[in-house]
Amino acid sequence: QVLLEESGGRVVQPGRSLRLSCTASGFTFRNYAMHWVRQAPGGGLEWMAVTSFDGDNRYYADSVKGRFTISRDNSKNTLFLQMNSLRAGDTAVYYCVRDSGPVSGGVLDYWGQGTLVIVSS
Amino acid sequence: EVVLTQSPATLSLSPGERATLSCRASQSISSYLAWYQQKPGQAPRLLIYDASAGAPGIPARFSGSGSGTDFTLTIASLEPEDFAVYYCQQRSDWPPYTFGPGTKLEMK
Repeated sequence: QVLLEESGGRVVQPGRSLRLSCTASGFTFRNYAMHWVRQAPGGGLEWMAVTSFDGDNRYYADSVKGRFTISRDNSKNTLFLQMNSLRAGDTAVYYCVRDSGPVSGGVLDYWGQGTLVIVSS
Repeated sequence: EVVLTQSPATLSLSPGERATLSCRASQSISSYLAWYQQKPGQAPRLLIYDASAGAPGIPARFSGSGSGTDFTLTIASLEPEDFAVYYCQQRSDWPPYTFGPGTKLEMK
């Protein structure tokens, strides 16, 4: 079965950096676009970023553009989110999400359980 | 950016009743709308995509309809496990993909 396991979330001070990882299994990772979606405590869902199957095309929400970078290593079935210049408003659970196709079609068909990032001094 | 609004914010019903949840888009999104279910402490789960197509493994009591700006998720007869928060999401005009604020379906 499709399994997405995020890691890397922790408490981090404002202005610092953090890298999240997502290890995929149960499907051919290199054939699918992948997303990051976050959810602030008690809040709704906010789409962050997407990468195409080959990593050549990447798109971001305005709130993180220039601060966050999505990338992937298809040889290791792993998705990454590099987060720089973190702010208190970035505090959230970050979900790794599979797209239903190789390029970003926007149908988010499988979700990981999420990893919690807390930005606080 | 496409803004999605959902109504009602909270819906109180009993098991066996029919639930009707609404999602409205700020501009036409054709049929590019999905619905997700999220239970406490869990990740969201895809229920419906492209307004009316059921995701694999989703019970038949869940159905979606609509096009343009107005969409509906219907749960024909509520089961105890259906009480959760439901989000709509559009993929017509992106980036960004946007979600509605959610409807909490609670047990009366």
